[in-house]
Amino acid sequence: SYELTQPPSVSVSPGQTATITCSGDKLGDKYVHWYQQQSGQSPVLVIYQDTERPSGIPERFSGSNSGNTATLTVSGTQAVDEADYYCQAWDSGSWVFGGGTKLTVL
Amino acid sequence: QVMLVQSGAEVKKPGASVKVSCKTSGYAFTSYDINWVRQATGRGLEWMGWMNPNMENTGYAQKFQGRVSITADTSINTAYMELTSLRSDDTAVYYCARVIAGTGFDFWGQGTVVTVSS
Repeated sequence: SYELTQPPSVSVSPGQTATITCSGDKLGDKYVHWYQQQSGQSPVLVIYQDTERPSGIPERFSGSNSGNTATLTVSGTQAVDEADYYCQAWDSGSWVFGGGTKLTVL
Repeated sequence: QVMLVQSGAEVKKPGASVKVSCKTSGYAFTSYDINWVRQATGRGLEWMGWMNPNMENTGYAQKFQGRVSITADTSINTAYMELTSLRSDDTAVYYCARVIAGTGFDFWGQGTVVTVSS
């Protein structure tokens, strides 16, 4: 079955840029979506179709996808961005989630 | 506004079944697929399956094949997820979420806690 691999944790200082990666075989040939999940809350879609931001998501969230790696970038990271982030893709009739990355804003 | 409201917490014994509902409003129910995702405490998101309420097509993760059933009642814009032969490791928060082709899960339910314990 298809697998998406994320780093367990990423740390960033306030105001700096955080980069979270998601790796999978030929991932660049698929659409990747990203979710933010605050503690105790339902996930929120922050990026869809690799690069698109849903209405209401701040511009500091951006995404890219090429080759075997998709990337979620949070520019000018704020304390409120501290959360778990999950990537997602569709493969062979199933949705697949990455294992999640805990973003810590130090 | 779009809302997905799930049924309340459940406590079940091993071997029992649970059925969780997801009542939707604020959009055309049959225009979006409904998916079910679960999350054990301290763990990641795990996709369980999907249903197209219009075509009544379904698809399930291999892990849950034979144990999960996703249905819908279009007259009340509500989807259901039933999981049978419950085990302790089925203890988790269960979410419903909607999606339209090619996009991500843009609206989610609030989650339903299912506890399996003897």
